[in-house]
Amino acid sequence: GQNIDQPTEMTATEGAIVQINCTYQTSGFNGLFWYQQHAGEAPTFLSYNVLDGLEEKGRFSSFLSRSKGYSYLLLKELQMKDSASYLCAVSSGGYNKLIFGAGTRLAVHP
Amino acid sequence: DGGITQSPKYLFRKEGQNVTLSCEQNLNHDAMYWYRQDPGQGLRLIYYSQIVNDFQKGDIAEGYSVSREKKESFPLTVTSAQKNPTAFYLCASSDLAGSYEQYFGPGTRLTVT
Repeated sequence: GQNIDQPTEMTATEGAIVQINCTYQTSGFNGLFWYQQHAGEAPTFLSYNVLDGLEEKGRFSSFLSRSKGYSYLLLKELQMKDSASYLCAVSSGGYNKLIFGAGTRLAVHP
Repeated sequence: DGGITQSPKYLFRKEGQNVTLSCEQNLNHDAMYWYRQDPGQGLRLIYYSQIVNDFQKGDIAEGYSVSREKKESFPLTVTSAQKNPTAFYLCASSDLAGSYEQYFGPGTRLTVT
């Protein structure tokens, strides 16, 4: 079967660093996405990894290991506005079909 | 402004009624998708379309129908056969020749009583 696992909830302190892990088992792999979703709003794109290694984009970085079926999203210098759900999704098969994990709800405290 | 629009933001219906959710994009994307999101769950794929007049069932297509008569439009009908229609519905589109990123509309929250 196809499965994507990520922690349900995490908490962190403003200004700190947090790492959100994602493990996946899918029948195909065309790339891995991270999206941010604030409550009641649409997901917004954060990052895309197709090759192993670290992709850095400002305060956000994402890592992929295809052999281990593992990715993480690293958020630095946390701000209150980073309180949101973070969705891990794998592109598998044709038509760019995405398989989503249940999301990790991150709460940032002062 | 390029983007995806969904309307309305909130929709209320009585059980037994069909309802159609609209999705329009002006990004010139070939592919469009419909997802359903329930509390505490990830997005689940209902239907997707790569090209006009063609669409494929996703993982939870039962009780739903779609059409793709124009490249810009991909409406979703929630029929009375859908047993638990109350949910947050998200439409997305992507450029299949690009980075495969999917762009999402603002969503429609459907409540059926």
